[in-house]
Amino acid sequence: DTGVSQDPRHKITKRGQNVTFRCDPISEHNRLYWYRQTLGQGPEFLTYFQNEAQLEKSRLLSDRFSAERPKGSFSTLEIQRTEQGDSAMYLCASSLAADSTVTDTQYFGPGTRLTVL
Amino acid sequence: EDKVVQSPLSLVVHEGDTVTLNCSYEVTNFRSLLWYKQEKKAPTFLFMLTSSGIEKKSGRLSSILDKKELFSILNITATQTGDSAVYLCAVVRDDKIIFGKGTRLHILP
Repeated sequence: DTGVSQDPRHKITKRGQNVTFRCDPISEHNRLYWYRQTLGQGPEFLTYFQNEAQLEKSRLLSDRFSAERPKGSFSTLEIQRTEQGDSAMYLCASSLAADSTVTDTQYFGPGTRLTVL
Repeated sequence: EDKVVQSPLSLVVHEGDTVTLNCSYEVTNFRSLLWYKQEKKAPTFLFMLTSSGIEKKSGRLSSILDKKELFSILNITATQTGDSAVYLCAVVRDDKIIFGKGTRLHILP
């Protein structure tokens, strides 16, 4: 399967614990996005990378959230001191941007469902 | 503030019916509009629309964009139970995508 993959698919944690999610994009894609989706809502943009550079962060991304893409391939999203409000589906997507032309279609991974007790 | 509004929020029809889903937007620096289908997993891509008045078709699904009136519609003809899903409209601005809340479509057999 050469699509976007995410790990783990499900994560249950206690409030106050740290969690880390991983996303592996489609191999030739240089852009990687993180979204959060709660029940009944569309995905909300969190942050995105072009190669290893983090180019934009949403104001939704509090100081407890950090994302990295150290080698421009896979990315990790860490949530420190989790709160019950962090419970959501965390989606990763990737796309291809070549020069100044952006291929806008983003391909999504299966998501990581986080439950904070 | 940028926004993408979908209507209706939910819709129940019988198999074989035709449905029209609506998406209106107010987004600065519009680049394109995307439609996704989401079942019990991540969204899957359906269409990308960048030009007004040009219909995109894929089987029983079609979509069109009106950049003057700032809306798009997604049509599904001869609906089947497998079409039951949440249909998401998203607008790309600069390098960010803004999603609507989706229309939950349920097809009764």
